[in-house]
Amino acid sequence: DIQMTQSPSSLSASVGDRVTITCRASQVISDSLAWFQQRPGTAPKSLIFDATRLQSGVPSRFSGSASGTDFTLTISSLQPEDIATYYCQQYNTYPFTFGPGTEVEIK
Amino acid sequence: QVQLVQSGAEVKKPGASVRVSCKASGYTFSNYHMHWVRQAPGQGLEWMGIINPFAGNTNYAQKFQGRVTMTRDTSTSTVYMELRSLRSDDTALYYCGRGIENPWGQGTLVTVSS
Repeated sequence: DIQMTQSPSSLSASVGDRVTITCRASQVISDSLAWFQQRPGTAPKSLIFDATRLQSGVPSRFSGSASGTDFTLTISSLQPEDIATYYCQQYNTYPFTFGPGTEVEIK
Repeated sequence: QVQLVQSGAEVKKPGASVRVSCKASGYTFSNYHMHWVRQAPGQGLEWMGIINPFAGNTNYAQKFQGRVTMTRDTSTSTVYMELRSLRSDDTALYYCGRGIENPWGQGTLVTVSS
């Protein structure tokens, strides 16, 4: 199975800060990488797919980038509603594995 | 609008089986694979498997092979996930979703307890 790692596991930042979360795949997955946001008590929501493509309706402060097996989710200006846990998922090879998640809090 | 509506919470005893349903509406049912993902209390997301509603073929994570069956009913646009030989560590929220497409189902809590 492809292992997905994320860093950091949690972070605390101020409103307006730029936040970066990194995800690394244990082998090549092309651009088959999605980012999900899960607010407390709710179902996951897709933010980014194909590593860099913004899902419809998602604010433009979210962006994704890729370099080899390293992927990044960036929130350009953190907002209070961005408090959530963020997961990456590869969908290149079965099973479609998730990273362990990054919990984002407001300082 | 697209909706995935899941069946209600279940409480099961160890060794029993559970079947969770996910009824789709607002889109062409056969056009999107359906995934099942679970989340144990306080834990992360775990991918269980996928079903192609058009052909009915499936792919399951090795961890669940032999214990899980995913099926679909095209006449009602519903997919089902059955998990057998339940253990206490199967206690979790079970979600259906179309992968990278939003929205997912609201989740079904399955509690396994003697």
